[in-house]
Amino acid sequence: KQEVTQIPAALSVPEGENLVLNCSFTDSAIYNLQWFRQDPGKGLTSLLLIQSSQREQTSGRLNASLDKSSGRSTLYIAASQPGDSATYLCAVSKQGANSKLTFGKGITLSVRP
Amino acid sequence: GAVVSQHPSWVICKSGTSVKIECRSLDFQATTMFWYRQFPKQSLMLMATSNEGSKATYEQGVEKDKFLINHASLTLSTLTVTSAHPEDSSFYICSAPGMGLAGTGTDTQYFGPGTRLTVL
Repeated sequence: KQEVTQIPAALSVPEGENLVLNCSFTDSAIYNLQWFRQDPGKGLTSLLLIQSSQREQTSGRLNASLDKSSGRSTLYIAASQPGDSATYLCAVSKQGANSKLTFGKGITLSVRP
Repeated sequence: GAVVSQHPSWVICKSGTSVKIECRSLDFQATTMFWYRQFPKQSLMLMATSNEGSKATYEQGVEKDKFLINHASLTLSTLTVTSAHPEDSSFYICSAPGMGLAGTGTDTQYFGPGTRLTVL
């Protein structure tokens, strides 16, 4: 059974700091990995999707990497801003677009002005 | 871009009543939709996979007679919580895969804004 772990559960950093959020998964036989953002009481916004054959994806100040063999992914946020404060979840898919996602519990990020 | 909507966004009901939640893909068709539940400070847990034209597939431990799912069309799936009780209070979120259809990202899952259910 796939398990996704995100540690720590919460993180507080000063504005402007570069930071890395970690995600690990137990079964390396994944199809893709996605990073999502969730604001309090809201749904999920997809940030980045990495296919199993890829090593990284970039969007603006965000960069996500994937090391499938070791079961790890990182989300790098450059020059953090207070607006980045949210919960960040990673999720893995085993069989493609029509398959379910297994989520980690998320990391709640607070960026202090 | 692809958009998934949910209705209602929040609902408060008395114990014993049934509540229907709708999930719609607004600008693309989805033969499959997923229903997740999220308790406070917990992650999303898949409840069931909704399949257009066939029965839903439920995850282990989810009561199919309590959580009725109907995938009425290629753009609509409904989740009905029957005889709701306070322990059913949660945040319910649906998603639909874009599958590279027009205006959607390949393999990207698009999530609805969620429905907050409170059972008194």
